[in-house]
Amino acid sequence: KQEVTQIPAALSVPEGENLVLNCSFTDSAIYNLQWFRQDPGKGLTSLLLIQSSQREQTSGRLNASLDKSSGRSTLYIAASQPGDSATYLCAVSRGNTPLVFGKGTRLSVIA
Amino acid sequence: GAVVSQHPSWVICKSGTSVKIECRSLDFQATTMFWYRQFPKQSLMLMATSNEGSKATYEQGVEKDKFLINHASLTLSTLTVTSAHPEDSSFYICSARDPHFRGEQYFGPGTRLTVT
Repeated sequence: KQEVTQIPAALSVPEGENLVLNCSFTDSAIYNLQWFRQDPGKGLTSLLLIQSSQREQTSGRLNASLDKSSGRSTLYIAASQPGDSATYLCAVSRGNTPLVFGKGTRLSVIA
Repeated sequence: GAVVSQHPSWVICKSGTSVKIECRSLDFQATTMFWYRQFPKQSLMLMATSNEGSKATYEQGVEKDKFLINHASLTLSTLTVTSAHPEDSSFYICSARDPHFRGEQYFGPGTRLTVT
């Protein structure tokens, strides 16, 4: 059974700092990996999707990498802003199977 | 990207009543939809997989007679919480898979259910 772990569980950084969120998964036979953002009491916003054949994806200040063989992904956020404060969720899928989520990293960016 | 809607966005009901939540894919046809629930400060837990025209597949520990799922068309799936109890209070999120676009799952905005 696929298990997804996210480290750290919570993170507090000053504004402007670059930061890295980590995600690991136990079954490397994945089809894709997605990173989501969730604001308190709200739904999910998809940030980046990485196909299993890809090694990274970039969107603005966000960069996600994937090392499928080692079962790891990182989300890099450059020049963090208070508006980046949210919970970041990592999820993996084997294609026809539903996404399996980690417990998330709660990020606070302090102005 | 594709859009998935949910209705209602929040609902309060009394114990013992039933509540229906709708999930719609607005600009694509979804043969598969998923229902998740999320407790405060917890991650999303898959409840069931809904396939158009067939019975839903429930995850272990989820009561299929309590959480009725119907996927009557390629754009609509419904979750009915029957005989609701306070412990059913949670955030319910649906998602729909677009089979023609990388198999990506698109998520609805969620429904906050409070059972009093």
